[in-house]
Amino acid sequence: AQSVAQPEDQVNVAEGNPLTVKCTYSVSGNPYLFWYVQYPNRGLQFLLKYITGDNLVKGSYGFEAEFNKSQTSFHLKKPSALVSDSALYFCAVRDGDRGSTLGRLYFGRGTQLTVWP
Amino acid sequence: NAGVMQNPRHLVRRRGQEARLRCSPMKGHSHVYWYRQLPEEGLKFMVYLQKENIIDESGMPKERFSAEFPKEGPSILRIQQVVRGDSAAYFCASSSRGRDVSGELFFGEGSRLTVL
Repeated sequence: AQSVAQPEDQVNVAEGNPLTVKCTYSVSGNPYLFWYVQYPNRGLQFLLKYITGDNLVKGSYGFEAEFNKSQTSFHLKKPSALVSDSALYFCAVRDGDRGSTLGRLYFGRGTQLTVWP
Repeated sequence: NAGVMQNPRHLVRRRGQEARLRCSPMKGHSHVYWYRQLPEEGLKFMVYLQKENIIDESGMPKERFSAEFPKEGPSILRIQQVVRGDSAAYFCASSSRGRDVSGELFFGEGSRLTVL
């Protein structure tokens, strides 16, 4: 079965410090991985995705994520956090090999990132 | 260049009433997904539709919930005889090629249902 785990409900960092939001996944086939961000009372905005190729993926707003197949992880990172990065972050996975669920994304529970000034 | 449009943004219903949530996908998108977000939880898949077809409804509750995406007009998620546990944010997402697994989904702003 496909699943995503975000082990931290909350991450707190000081502005200017690096941040990491953790994500591990489980799929039976090839993993296609995504990160989304949600601001209060808003929809989800796409940040970045890993499909194939370079394990380090760069996305919007200076975020990047590293795909690690052996650890089944796809952690989101940013070298220098901003107060405006404070939001709810969701990791999602799609199993590329399961025809019956093509198109469907499985989401983690979300991690609330708070960046302190 | 309108994105995914959902309405209403906020809906209040009393127990036993019906709720209808509408979603217009991005222009050119023919694949629609509905997700539910309960307080303190992530997004749970409900249903995946193409025009006039339900592709995957494995996440839909068996009773009271239905969805459609007609040839013309928006996709509609219908909840009959609402109960307090239906209070949640309902998000619609669309994509241009549902079976293109590399494609991201584009989400609407959500419809927040409150059942009194």
